[in-house]
Amino acid sequence: NAGVTQTPKFRILKIGQSMTLQCAQDMNHNYMYWYRQDPGMGLKLIYYSVGAGITDKGEVPNGYNVSRSTTEDFPLRLELAAPSQTSVYFCASSLEDRGHYNEQFFGPGTRLTVL
Amino acid sequence: GENVEQHPSTLSVQEGDSAVIKCTYSDSASNYFPWYKQELGKGPQLIIDIRSNVGEKKDQRIAVTLNKTAKHFSLHITETQPEDSAVYFCAASIRSEYGNKLVFGAGTILRVKS
Repeated sequence: NAGVTQTPKFRILKIGQSMTLQCAQDMNHNYMYWYRQDPGMGLKLIYYSVGAGITDKGEVPNGYNVSRSTTEDFPLRLELAAPSQTSVYFCASSLEDRGHYNEQFFGPGTRLTVL
Repeated sequence: GENVEQHPSTLSVQEGDSAVIKCTYSDSASNYFPWYKQELGKGPQLIIDIRSNVGEKKDQRIAVTLNKTAKHFSLHITETQPEDSAVYFCAASIRSEYGNKLVFGAGTILRVKS
């Protein structure tokens, strides 16, 4: 299994540009998550999905959009990039039953700089 | 909403000594508390977790304790080695309309000096 894969690894955007961060998992996990990690600030949840077609906002959703059309893929869309979105983005997945938590598996991250 | 505080932000220990990282949480409904290790340039990886029905869990050199009354939990690493140097995150679970989420602490940079 490849686990959780993310592309690209690095990206530089200009203010106002848009892009999609790709995330895929091959573990047949139902839950998928997007986090951002700012220096010294830990991980903040942007959006998450509990299955195909179902997504919900996390702590910091403004400026982002997501979709989940398949179990495997969970892309994150930035429509109008701003310097405040400069961060490292991590995708994660887990196999969950309601009320019972399991390990979240993280991808290697995408480092995004907005200039 | 849930708030998780983690201390210290940085910790330096001599090889062979013990390291302790502490976290507090605010939501009394939280019932799952994982610890993640993040090495430079990589994504976080689970090292140990504890559920609210137990007070302590051990796995070789690492252990986690949970005090639900005081709403705090701690990570203990004994006989530290240089390869333990990394950033460590605690987290606490929260329930939402659609399912399970985690709230993470800000992280602790652990440096093990040889």
